[in-house]
Amino acid sequence: EVQLVQSGAEVKKPGESLKISCKGSGYSFSTYWIGWVRQMPGTALEWMGIIYPGDSDTRYSPSFQGQVTISGDKSISTAYLQWSSLKASDTAMYYCVRLQKYCGGDCPGAFDIWGQGTMVTVSS
Amino acid sequence: QSALTQPPSASGSPGQSVTISCTGTSSDVGDYNYVSWYQQHPGKAPKLIIYEVSKRPSGVPDRFSGSKSGNTASLTVSGLQAEDEADYYCSSYAGSNNYVFGTGTKVTVL
Repeated sequence: EVQLVQSGAEVKKPGESLKISCKGSGYSFSTYWIGWVRQMPGTALEWMGIIYPGDSDTRYSPSFQGQVTISGDKSISTAYLQWSSLKASDTAMYYCVRLQKYCGGDCPGAFDIWGQGTMVTVSS
Repeated sequence: QSALTQPPSASGSPGQSVTISCTGTSSDVGDYNYVSWYQQHPGKAPKLIIYEVSKRPSGVPDRFSGSKSGNTASLTVSGLQAEDEADYYCSSYAGSNNYVFGTGTKVTVL
């Protein structure tokens, strides 16, 4: 079964650092882009950025550039999202997603597999 | 980049149809035929239901259909069923390996 399994919920204080993970299985992890999506409580999905695990090529949404770091380790089929100094406004559910390119080549795609989500709560 | 604009809510009775719009710009929806739609039930992760404007992944009922005209994409749910009650989000490619989501629409089955 193709799936993305994310790390568990986190409760942190403002100013703390955090790294959450997303492990892929059931497919060739290195050959699919993995993205991250934020959903603040009761609000819409927001695109954060994407990484190609094969060569760690990473792109960020302008809204999240400099606010988070996306990384990956293809040897263990895992992508990461990290913060160096959390704020209360980072409280949200974070989803990792697999980008499926239906053209079979270098083209945009759609997010066909979603992780179960990691809830991050930042509160003093 | 700004979020794509969707109506906050839409509703219909069982068996009826509901159409949700998704308005972007000439830099995203208007420039690429890479609009996708996602269904999210409360407390669950979203699920892909339409990709490349109008294509359905395997297993998605043909009651779901998509289209696009200019800077606006649309999702139509025909023959509404109780289980279609959910939040729906559009997404578009926006260039340079970036994507943008819509503001979301809550569909209520009356």
